[in-house]
Amino acid sequence: DGGITQSPKYLFRKEGQNVTLSCEQNLNHDAMYWYRQDPGQGLRLIYYSQIVNDFQKGDIAEGYSVSREKKESFPLTVTSAQKNPTAFYLCASSENRGGSASGRAVEEQYFGPGTRLTVT
Amino acid sequence: GENVEQHPSTLSVQEGDSAVIKCTYSDSASNYFPWYKQELGKRPQLIIDIRSNVGEKKDQRIAVTLNKTAKHFSLHITETQPEDSAVYFCAASIGGGSYIPTFGRGTSLIVHP
Repeated sequence: DGGITQSPKYLFRKEGQNVTLSCEQNLNHDAMYWYRQDPGQGLRLIYYSQIVNDFQKGDIAEGYSVSREKKESFPLTVTSAQKNPTAFYLCASSENRGGSASGRAVEEQYFGPGTRLTVT
Repeated sequence: GENVEQHPSTLSVQEGDSAVIKCTYSDSASNYFPWYKQELGKRPQLIIDIRSNVGEKKDQRIAVTLNKTAKHFSLHITETQPEDSAVYFCAASIGGGSYIPTFGRGTSLIVHP
């Protein structure tokens, strides 16, 4: 289970409050991603970053913000503008560039354990 | 952009039976097709993948087939066991390009002992 971590596992917030979810990886991966998982909806991409100090919006970026100041870290802020923030949030990373020293696909996504956010 | 459709959403089988999950994709430029397994309460993990230059790949009881012309790929699990019960996600991406995967909505596989 090592390599990519998320904290906390469960998070409770009141409506109208911003909240930041942590994601850290020690895999030396260039790319990092945030997904939202709702029942029956699969994995929907919120934001992704392919290199430090650069990130791009995914399919459902509204109401979320991110930063990528360090290669190892990609925190996600759920703002009060997100209309339905209660969900399970998954962070992932992948090598993406060059050849893989492990022999595995550079596109393989390594997921964190997730954070379940409940907003009431 | 890419669109990935996955069927069925739920699949119930008896232990020992085979299970097949199918996905279709829309972007002919996609060339990397992974399958992830997510057990209850756990993170998704890659179980098998295939590239567009290969038609089939096997790993013990699991296999993936790809039909580039029809733009569909399938996961086959033989001799299912209760521990195969999980949600399975297919995905498609353009390797060597953006690498950003588009996931299907998932299939909940239930294997009854």
